[in-house]
Amino acid sequence: RKEVEQDPGPFNVPEGATVAFNCTYSNSASQSFFWYRQDCRKEPKLLMSVYSSGNEDGRFTAQLNRASQYISLLIRDSKLSDSATYLCVVNQAGTALIFGKGTTLSVSS
Amino acid sequence: DAGVIQSPRHEVTEMGQEVTLRCKPISGHDYLFWYRQTMMRGLELLIYFNNNVPIDDSGMPEDRFSAKMPNASFSTLKIQPSEPRDSAVYFCASGRTQRNQPQHFGDGTRLSIL
Repeated sequence: RKEVEQDPGPFNVPEGATVAFNCTYSNSASQSFFWYRQDCRKEPKLLMSVYSSGNEDGRFTAQLNRASQYISLLIRDSKLSDSATYLCVVNQAGTALIFGKGTTLSVSS
Repeated sequence: DAGVIQSPRHEVTEMGQEVTLRCKPISGHDYLFWYRQTMMRGLELLIYFNNNVPIDDSGMPEDRFSAKMPNASFSTLKIQPSEPRDSAVYFCASGRTQRNQPQHFGDGTRLSIL
């Protein structure tokens, strides 16, 4: 079983749509969780951290379910500029981040 | 503030040649990571350092790959001899020890081995 699994997509949605990405992780000792965004031919960049209580940053909402080892990212009112690959990332304290392979989002007008 | 700096940005070379990739982490970061990204395998961790000491190199594919961190501000990833299957984007990232601290990536080196 892979450590971090994501649906690769692609998700093709119109502008203004709400889209949700899911991610599962295998190591119950994982302590930190993030969503990164990667644009084509660019480096991954931190989108947001994911906290146990869930957190929101503008149109983006991240949630964590430790019991199910499940992380989600919700994007409301999608913009063309949201088109990218979204990487689910987990780690244990003092170790390297483990990246999922990413979910590709394409927002069209 | 300067981010993670990698060089070269692009490298095209013939198989069998030695390739050296360079990275300067963000000042004050005590972790440094080398990743490789391909379409097939996604982003793979090759090796990471803490306070200039290699902690986990289990992701290094073969003995042809080696990495060093002689000081807190510089690291190299070397491939010798290079092979066409080494073609990929190689990212360096740095981070802090504290929990919940994310990593910051360099722009990457696009490596093509002919």
